[in-house]
Amino acid sequence: GQNIDQPTEMTATEGAIVQINCTYQTSGFNGLFWYQQHAGEAPTFLSYNVLDGLEEKGRFSSFLSRSKGYSYLLLKELQMKDSASYLCAVSSGGSYIPTFGRGTSLIVHP
Amino acid sequence: KAGVTQTPRYLIKTRGQQVTLSCSPISGHRSVSWYQQTPGQGLQFLFEYFSETQRNKGNFPGRFSGRQFSNSRSEMNVSTLELGDSALYLCASSLVGGNTGELFFGEGSRLTVL
Repeated sequence: GQNIDQPTEMTATEGAIVQINCTYQTSGFNGLFWYQQHAGEAPTFLSYNVLDGLEEKGRFSSFLSRSKGYSYLLLKELQMKDSASYLCAVSSGGSYIPTFGRGTSLIVHP
Repeated sequence: KAGVTQTPRYLIKTRGQQVTLSCSPISGHRSVSWYQQTPGQGLQFLFEYFSETQRNKGNFPGRFSGRQFSNSRSEMNVSTLELGDSALYLCASSLVGGNTGELFFGEGSRLTVL
C-alpha cells in the first residue's frame, strides 16, 4: 500500500509565500500530483511531477525528491482565493491510479 | 467543452436502501474513476472503468459496484446503505486513465444516509 502524509491545516498571510509538504512511502513510483479543492467544489489539477526537481507554473511550483519520498507545493504572492484544500496524490505500480493524501487546508488571511 | 457532470448533486437515503449515482465524462474521455470523500479519510479510490471494463478496484466491500456504458457514461451503485456511506462521491474522467497526470473531477454527489 501507500502512505501519504501532509499537514492537516496551515495558515498564511496574503502576499506571503507558503510551502505545503507531502511525504510518501510507496513502491513502483510513477508520479506525484497536486490538486486544489475549494470548499464545495471539485478538485482541480495543479501539477504532476515524475522526475526530481522543481516545476514552476506561474505562482505555483512543485518539487519532487524521489529518493526522499518528498514533495512540496510552493505558493507565492498568496491571494485570498488561494484558501482551499491542497491534495497530494501518488500513483504507483501499473495502474497509474493516484492515491490521495487527506489534504492540507490552507487559510489565507489579510 | 462541457466538464464532468454528476447527478444527482444531493440525495438523502435511509439505512438499507440502495442508491445509483451517474457520471457523464468529458467528451472523448474513455476512463472514468470514482472516489469517496469524507472528512476523516479524505479521497479514497473506489474503481476505474475504461472502455466498459472495470480496470482497477479499490478496497471497498462488494456493496459498491459500478458500470460503464458504450458512450463512456458511468454509474455506481451502493446497496444496503449504511450510515458510514454518507460522503461526497466524486467522479473523475481522463483520456486514457491517469498516466497523463490529470484527472478532471465532477462536483460530486453528496449522499446522506439516515
